[in-house]
Amino acid sequence: AQRVTQPEKLLSVFKGAPVELKCNYSYSGSPELFWYVQYSRQRLQLLLRHISRESIKGFTADLNKGETSFHLKKPFAQEEDSAMYYCALSEKGGSEKLVFGKGTKLTVNP
Amino acid sequence: NAGVTQTPKFQVLKTGQSMTLQCAQDMNHEYMSWYRQDPGMGLRLIHYSVGAGITDQGEVPNGYNVSRSTTEDFPLRLLSAAPSQTSVYFCASCSGANVLTFGAGSRLTVL
Repeated sequence: AQRVTQPEKLLSVFKGAPVELKCNYSYSGSPELFWYVQYSRQRLQLLLRHISRESIKGFTADLNKGETSFHLKKPFAQEEDSAMYYCALSEKGGSEKLVFGKGTKLTVNP
Repeated sequence: NAGVTQTPKFQVLKTGQSMTLQCAQDMNHEYMSWYRQDPGMGLRLIHYSVGAGITDQGEVPNGYNVSRSTTEDFPLRLLSAAPSQTSVYFCASCSGANVLTFGAGSRLTVL
């Protein structure tokens, strides 16, 4: 069974500090990993996916198959990064059925 | 291009009442799904559909029914609402490549 674990429910950092949101997964096959974000009063939206290997809004995430992790990182957090972040997993090449973690609420303080 | 449209945005029900949450998308996406979002529980998949006439259960299907008579619409039915179904419900669709487009959400309270 697929499982996604986000160990931190809440994460608080100061503006300009580095931030790392942790995501670990368990899946025996070849997964696709995603980060979705929900800003206040906005819809859930895709932030980035591992196969794109891109940086969105200064965030990056690297898939580490050895550690089964897909941590989200940003070197200098901004107040507008405050949001709910969800890590999600789907079977590579499989259906679009995504399994989400429980989410981490990030607060960036001024 | 409206994307994914959910109605109603807010609803209050009494225990035992029935209702339907509507979801429509205008992107011609084959895949549609319903999630519920609860504090500390994240997003949990209720039902999903890979095309018109095809539906399947997700992680938490009990108490919910779905149908997919057209590509555009994917309604979620609560036949006999229970307080445990108080939640925020999200509909999402996907064109492929596993990237979901979400609706704005429907907040349901069951008294």
